[in-house]
Amino acid sequence: QKEVEQDPGPLSVPEGAIVSLNCTYSNSAFQYFMWYRQYSRKGPELLMYTYSSGNKEDGRFTAQVDKSSKYISLFIRDSQPSDSATYLCAMITSGTYKYIFGTGTRLKVLA
Amino acid sequence: DVKVTQSSRYLVKRTGEKVFLECVQDMDHENMFWYRQDPGLGLRLIYFSYDVKMKEKGDIPEGYSVSREKKERFSLILESASTNQTSMYLCASSIREHQPQHFGDGTRLSIL
Repeated sequence: QKEVEQDPGPLSVPEGAIVSLNCTYSNSAFQYFMWYRQYSRKGPELLMYTYSSGNKEDGRFTAQVDKSSKYISLFIRDSQPSDSATYLCAMITSGTYKYIFGTGTRLKVLA
Repeated sequence: DVKVTQSSRYLVKRTGEKVFLECVQDMDHENMFWYRQDPGLGLRLIYFSYDVKMKEKGDIPEGYSVSREKKERFSLILESASTNQTSMYLCASSIREHQPQHFGDGTRLSIL
């Protein structure tokens, strides 16, 4: 079983929809959680960084962590065609250098 | 903003060649990383460095080595390139442990 599971998609939604992207994980020691956006032929770009459980909002993006369920989510409100990309989750425990990445979910927002 | 710069976007080399991939970051970050990214396999850590001249093996170090002579620069070396090393190579840096990583735009390497 992989440490981090992420649905590969593709996920297709109409412009303006609310998008929910999710990752589940097995290691309860993970404390720091990240979401990255990766456009085709580019490197991952950091969107959100959260510590422990709870919600964090930045513009149209909300990151949610539920440590009791070992489940993290990224919500995108009012989705735009420019949001079409692959979204990667990542997580790490305290005191280590090894980040564990999901394999990414491909999102397509249709105009 | 953090800038991580990889020297080449696309590179084509032949089997058996020694290949150098260069990465420079401009934010005085302590840690630097090299990953390869393959479809369906995600990001796999090759090597990382937490200080100048310090390096640690990642999950797939075989066939690779690294060099960090200066804090801002981290080089990945393919000692004798093979076709199974054809991949997208990503460099990243972070200010310290468990802080978010910042990535370069990658080098798409083809070994013929």
